[in-house]
Amino acid sequence: QQKVQQSPESLSVPEGGMASLNCTSSDRNFQYFWWYRQHSGEGPKALMSIFSDGDKKEGRFTAHLNKASLHVSLHIRDSQPSDSALYFCAASANSAGNKLTFGIGTRVLVRP
Amino acid sequence: GGIITQTPKFLIGQEGQKLTLKCQQNFNHDTMYWYRQDSGKGLRLIYYSITENDLQKGDLSEGYDASREKKSSFSLTVTSAQKNEMAVFLCASSKTGEGDTQYFGPGTRLLVL
Repeated sequence: QQKVQQSPESLSVPEGGMASLNCTSSDRNFQYFWWYRQHSGEGPKALMSIFSDGDKKEGRFTAHLNKASLHVSLHIRDSQPSDSALYFCAASANSAGNKLTFGIGTRVLVRP
Repeated sequence: GGIITQTPKFLIGQEGQKLTLKCQQNFNHDTMYWYRQDSGKGLRLIYYSITENDLQKGDLSEGYDASREKKSSFSLTVTSAQKNEMAVFLCASSKTGEGDTQYFGPGTRLLVL
């Protein structure tokens, strides 16, 4: 069983809309989370990390972490066609993040 | 800023062949990683290294060797390529410290005939 599960598998949103992605860990040791984004033909690029309960906002991206349920979400406000990509949630048992476990990803398509 | 360079970009091998992938970073990062990306399976850690000459196994190390020749370079060897294998191998690096994100290279695409 995947220790980091993401949903949905894919998501289509209109340009300017809100995209919401979910991630849950089944391993209680995983308390530290990252979101990465991968455009086709490129390597993943980190969007943000979140280690504390509550919201963390960076530009149009907001992550929310609930440590009790080990659930983290990512919300993309005012989605742009350039946001079309594969989004990965990654979790670690330590804040250094040197041994990340990745989910299988959510593919986001932003329709013009 | 910095950059991670992976060579080659594409690699076509034969079943049973030993294949070597190379990675260079100029971030001056301490830690380097090798991941394998398969469609529908996310990224899986093969090896990582926290300093020159150090090597730590990830979840997928069987069938691979790695070598951290110097701080800036990390190579991965597929010891015996499997027929019809198709995957992307991603190299990454990070500083060693709290909250440090990993920076990824563009990947090496492997196809085994």
